[in-house]
Amino acid sequence: QKEVEQDPGPLSVPEGAIVSLNCTYSNSAFQYFMWYRQYSRKGPELLMYTYSSGNKEDGRFTAQVDKSSKYISLFIRDSQPSDSATYLCAMSEGGSYIPTFGRGTSLIVHP
Amino acid sequence: KAGVTQTPRYLIKTRGQQVTLSCSPISGHRSVSWYQQTPGQGLQFLFEYFSETQRNKGNFPGRFSGRQFSNSRSEMNVSTLELGDSALYLCASSARQGAYEQYFGPGTRLTVT
Repeated sequence: QKEVEQDPGPLSVPEGAIVSLNCTYSNSAFQYFMWYRQYSRKGPELLMYTYSSGNKEDGRFTAQVDKSSKYISLFIRDSQPSDSATYLCAMSEGGSYIPTFGRGTSLIVHP
Repeated sequence: KAGVTQTPRYLIKTRGQQVTLSCSPISGHRSVSWYQQTPGQGLQFLFEYFSETQRNKGNFPGRFSGRQFSNSRSEMNVSTLELGDSALYLCASSARQGAYEQYFGPGTRLTVT
C-alpha cells in the first residue's frame, strides 16, 4: 500500500459543477499538505498548501485537511473547462521538504 | 521574469549509457529540486540542492546524482541507465531551502531503449 492514495479518475463533470478531489494517507507524521495542478506536457503548479488540520480557501479553491481520518480534500467551485488537468496531492513530515505525492486525479470539465 | 528552464526537452538513450540533464532556476532562486514522474510510481522526489550543497535526498539509488553551480543552475546525472529510468524528469526552483512554494519547469522526457 502506498503512503498516499489518490483515485486516478478520470473525473468528468459539467461546467459550473462543484468538484471534490481527495487523498488518503497512512503516515500520521505528515504535517504539510499540498495540492498541485498539472496540465498536459507541463510541470506541476502549486495551488495551495496547508499546515496541520483545517480549511484554507483561495478564490474558487478550498483545501481541507482531516488529520484524524488521514484524509484531505480539494474543492473547486464553479468549475471551468480550463480547470481540466491532473490534480496531485502531496504531503511531507515537516522539518525538511521531502514530499510524498499521490498519483494524481485526472479532471475533465466539459462545457 | 523567466520561468524554470530545462534542457534538453526530449532525450533517447540506450541501456547502460549515462545522461546529464540541466535545469536553470528562476532568477534569484537558490534552491533546486529534482523529481521523477512515471505512470507507475507517480511523482517522486529525487533531491534538493541549495547553495551548491545537497540538502535533502529521496529514496533513489546512487546512480542518480546531481550538483549545483554557484549561479544556482543544476545538473542531474543518471549513470548506467536502465529501462525503468524512462520517465519525465522535473526540476523545481524556490527562493529558499525547503520551501513549499516551488516553481516547476516543463521537464525532460527521457526514454531508455
